Amino acid sequence: GAGVSQTPSNKVTEKGKYVELRCDPISGHTALYWYRQSLGQGPEFLIYFQGTGAADDSGLPNDRFFAVRPEGSVSTLKIQRTERGDSAVYLCASSLRGNTEAFFGQGTRLTVV
Amino acid sequence: QKEVEQNSGPLSVPEGAIASLNCTYSDRVSQSFFWYRQYSGKSPELIMSIYSNGDKEDGRFTAQLNKASQYVSLLIRDSQPSDSATYLCAGGQDSNYQLIWGAGTKLIIKP
Repeated sequence: GAGVSQTPSNKVTEKGKYVELRCDPISGHTALYWYRQSLGQGPEFLIYFQGTGAADDSGLPNDRFFAVRPEGSVSTLKIQRTERGDSAVYLCASSLRGNTEAFFGQGTRLTVV
Repeated sequence: QKEVEQNSGPLSVPEGAIASLNCTYSDRVSQSFFWYRQYSGKSPELIMSIYSNGDKEDGRFTAQLNKASQYVSLLIRDSQPSDSATYLCAGGQDSNYQLIWGAGTKLIIKP
């Protein structure tokens, strides 16, 4: 597609539920990043994919968070047993390769009630 | 010391003037540098990238990189009210491909 697409744009879920957030990167981009952003803060790194593999998952806060990119294109961020503290905007970005210009999707605003 | 530091602002600049945004970084950040603009409620939008020392100009925007002093700046000439946003600085690393982000500077252009 022309840009990075994230779905859904908004997600409200109850505490304890499971959620999946989807990211469709720019065609041909091998690098894909997931970030989380809270109000007034810069993006907080979660995980970086190079192709199908997670090259760096050091930003995932705990084992409730997991992400996959099985075919090296679309990625899904999965959050189990959601907590109110998980509420944030989840941003996905892709770049042609690592350390180059990254382009962001519109984000998914997750609210855990 | 944070790895990428920015003054949170707000930085208030009159319309038509030059806005100067600055970012300093630590030794861990040494590769590419990027400036992003983020409007409230929107995702970051890439404005400029700079990879080597010196100036890089693109329209009203100029990025300046000084690796010896470990800072990168963004100048916005002829500032417009539509430039009012938060500007995020990010840098790449030698060791991996993760970008390190500053918390952003809020810029307000006053008509």
